[in-house]
Amino acid sequence: DIRMTQSPSSLSASVGDRVTISCRASQGINNYLAWFQQKPGKAPKSLIYAASSLQSGVPSRFSGSGSGTEFTLTISSLQPEDFATYYCQQYDSYPFTFGPGTKVDIK
Amino acid sequence: QVQLQQWGAGLLKPSETLSLTCAVYGGSSSGFYWSWIRQPPGKGLEWIGEIDQSGSTNYNPSLKSRVTISVDTSKNQFSLKLTSMTAADTAMYYCAKGNCGGSCYPLGYWGQGSLVTVSS
Repeated sequence: DIRMTQSPSSLSASVGDRVTISCRASQGINNYLAWFQQKPGKAPKSLIYAASSLQSGVPSRFSGSGSGTEFTLTISSLQPEDFATYYCQQYDSYPFTFGPGTKVDIK
Repeated sequence: QVQLQQWGAGLLKPSETLSLTCAVYGGSSSGFYWSWIRQPPGKGLEWIGEIDQSGSTNYNPSLKSRVTISVDTSKNQFSLKLTSMTAADTAMYYCAKGNCGGSCYPLGYWGQGSLVTVSS
């Protein structure tokens, strides 16, 4: 299985901050990388696919980058509704696997 | 507007079989995989498996011996069965549908989740 890691595991930030979350795959995944946002008690919501493509309806302050095994999710200006846990996921090979998550909370 | 609505029994005894169904409303059905994912309380996400409209499946090897995913294309529904449930299978179970923008990806839309508890 491809192992996904994320850093940091948690971070505290203020509204308006630029936030960066890293995701690493244990082997190359051909940019088949997705990012999800999950709020407490809610289902995950798709944000980014193919490493850098924004799902329709997702605000443009979210962006994804990276290639090979190293990927990044950036929130350019954190908004109150962005406090949540973020997961990366590879869909290059089976079984699909997720990172352990990064919790973003209020400083 | 794509929506997924899921349902099924929420409380099971050890050794019983989990049965969940997910209905997909809106959007095209062809060319997409429909998936199941689970999340134990306070933990991360685990992909269970997927099925396409032809009935072709892919399963997580860690669960493959106990999992069956099936599809009813006439109703735009798909189902999950997980046998021999134990307390370790207690989790929120989600269904999901693929989506295509510039490319296709498997988990574009998610259901609301079904909390499944295994307890004697």
